Amino acid sequence: DVQLVQSGAEVKKPGESLKISCKGSGYSFTSHWIGWVRQMPGKGLEWMGIIYPGDSDTRYSPSFQGQVTISADKSISTAYLQWSSLKASDTAMYYCARGSTVLSPEFDYWGQGTLVTVSS
Amino acid sequence: QSVLTQPPSVSAAPGQKVTISCSGTFSNIGNNYVSWYQQLPGTAPKLLIYDNNKRPSGIPDRFSGSKSGTSATLGITGLQTGDEADYYCGTWDSDLSAGVFGGGTKLTVL
Repeated sequence: DVQLVQSGAEVKKPGESLKISCKGSGYSFTSHWIGWVRQMPGKGLEWMGIIYPGDSDTRYSPSFQGQVTISADKSISTAYLQWSSLKASDTAMYYCARGSTVLSPEFDYWGQGTLVTVSS
Repeated sequence: QSVLTQPPSVSAAPGQKVTISCSGTFSNIGNNYVSWYQQLPGTAPKLLIYDNNKRPSGIPDRFSGSKSGTSATLGITGLQTGDEADYYCGTWDSDLSAGVFGGGTKLTVL
């Protein structure tokens, strides 16, 4: 069965760095795009970016370019989302999701979400 | 402000049919496939429709999708109380070179 298992909830202070993870299993990790989606409290879904673990080709939404870094380690079938300096406005639920084998809009499997809370 | 426009809420009685619209532009819906997601309270989104009108395995045929020009529509027939959720459309935007979602529609089954 395809599974995406995300790392646990985080509580951080403004200015701190953070890297959250998403481990894929049950499929060829290097053959599918993996995306990250933000959901702020009580708000809708926001497409952040996507990576192809096979060659690390990465695309970012203009809204998130320069704000976060998406990476992947294909040797351990894990994708990452990281911040170098968190802000209170980064408080949100973050989902990873599996894309297609080609760059396309749909995500067919989703992780359980990682809640990130940034507060002084 | 989302790139794709959805009504904030829709409602209908059990057993009835409801449609949810998703409006965009030529650079997104007009030139790319649309997908739809259901997000039940407190859970991760789930893919309902991809490639405008295809259903993944396990999604009942009560759910359907269509696209015309720069708009897409999700239809749900035989409404059940378990269908109460937030529904999102999504597609690729060729101008942004990124994916985009609609703002979401809250479905209430009265």
